[in-house]
Amino acid sequence: ETGVTQTPRHLVMGMTNKKSLKCEQHLGHNAMYWYKQSAKKPLELMFVYNFKEQTENNSVPSRFSPECPNSSHLFLHLHTLQPEDSALYLCASSQGKSGSQETQYFGPGTRLLVL
Amino acid sequence: GDSVTQMEGPVTLSEEAFLTINCTYTATGYPSLFWYVQYPGEGLQLLLKATKADDKGSNKGFEATYRKETTSFHLEKGSVQVSDSAVYFCALSETDTGNQFYFGTGTSLTVIP
Repeated sequence: ETGVTQTPRHLVMGMTNKKSLKCEQHLGHNAMYWYKQSAKKPLELMFVYNFKEQTENNSVPSRFSPECPNSSHLFLHLHTLQPEDSALYLCASSQGKSGSQETQYFGPGTRLLVL
Repeated sequence: GDSVTQMEGPVTLSEEAFLTINCTYTATGYPSLFWYVQYPGEGLQLLLKATKADDKGSNKGFEATYRKETTSFHLEKGSVQVSDSAVYFCALSETDTGNQFYFGTGTSLTVIP
């Protein structure tokens, strides 16, 4: 399997549920990202991990909790979400070398609906 | 700070028409520039990129030239097809802050037969 994969592709959850999104990259990259894409809004960067260390957290509510156990896997743990959190959640990866010309590669996304 | 501005859509063209989607950027250093495409129900796919001034990125009939003097990276295609219908995103990343990407708001393109 190649590239960046995400599971599940679709998720429906209630506001009291706990669920996790999974991302896996097979590109040998060291940096991984979570983005939120909502209708008619710009792509929002949520979290960045570089060599398993979190380097960015763009004021994301604590009901979103990232986890990066190794440089190939990235999780987004969800709990007590709100309906406005319904969106497409995209994972991306890049080489992660400072000073290099990075290219990000995206997964297909998880379409999340919060009821 | 760095930013990307791209033309607002939606854009509707007839098949075989010429396409231009404008993109301009603001950057403090020497960015790499990208065009990504998102087909319905999918994630973003890298379409093309250019890493220095005057470079031309090209792929699948699409082209964009990195113009430092006008800080632009306009996307062009000579003859669009129905299968080109998608949302197109312009983006940049700075060399010295490689983890920081800046995306435009996206331009929706619909090609009608």
